[in-house]
Amino acid sequence: QVQLVESGGGVVQPGRSLRLSCVGSGFRFSDYGMHWVRQITGKGLEWVALIWNSGNKEDYADSVKGRFTISRDNSKNTVTLQMNSLRVEDTAVYFCARVGYSATLGGMDVWGRGTTVIVSS
Amino acid sequence: EIVMTQSPLSLPVTPGEPASISCRSSQSLLHSDGKNYLEWYLQKPGQSPQLLIYLGSTRASGVPDRFSGSGSGTDFTLKISRVEAEDVGVYYCMHALQTSFTFGPGTKVDIK
Repeated sequence: QVQLVESGGGVVQPGRSLRLSCVGSGFRFSDYGMHWVRQITGKGLEWVALIWNSGNKEDYADSVKGRFTISRDNSKNTVTLQMNSLRVEDTAVYFCARVGYSATLGGMDVWGRGTTVIVSS
Repeated sequence: EIVMTQSPLSLPVTPGEPASISCRSSQSLLHSDGKNYLEWYLQKPGQSPQLLIYLGSTRASGVPDRFSGSGSGTDFTLKISRVEAEDVGVYYCMHALQTSFTFGPGTKVDIK
């Protein structure tokens, strides 16, 4: 079945780095753009980053621009979020999600279960 | 940045009764292509969000027809024609007009 599985979360000190991965299965990964969205525990959703299906274009929320990098390897059905210079306020559950409909860059129709990042000294 | 607001923030519902959630954006989500780039998501307790509606009124695949989206420009509504117990959770609207997508604060729907 169509599935996204995130990994790479953990506890990290402020200023350090962490790399999250998301592996897709059950669909042609290279046909779909991919998002990262985060959620502070018990709070709302915040969009983080988007990468187009070919990997030739990406975009970021202002809160992470210059610190986070989204990339993908279509041969491995994987999208990655490299997070540098982490801050306490980056603590959240990070979800990857698929752009499900070509008519929109949103339309996040498949979501992973999320991976937890805790930034703490 | 486009700011999304929702009302109410909490909505107790009775199974079998209709329910409605409002979403407003700080700028128009009506694109020159005639489409409204507004989406609705539901996050059930303990689960990841799921897409209900995109382009303002198009139901995502597999979404029951008791869910409907309407509105244009800056004012949008999600309606549930007859609430079922499985519809509890937090409903979010999100704009997709441009990257730097933003979500509304969420509306928590629970059973009275």
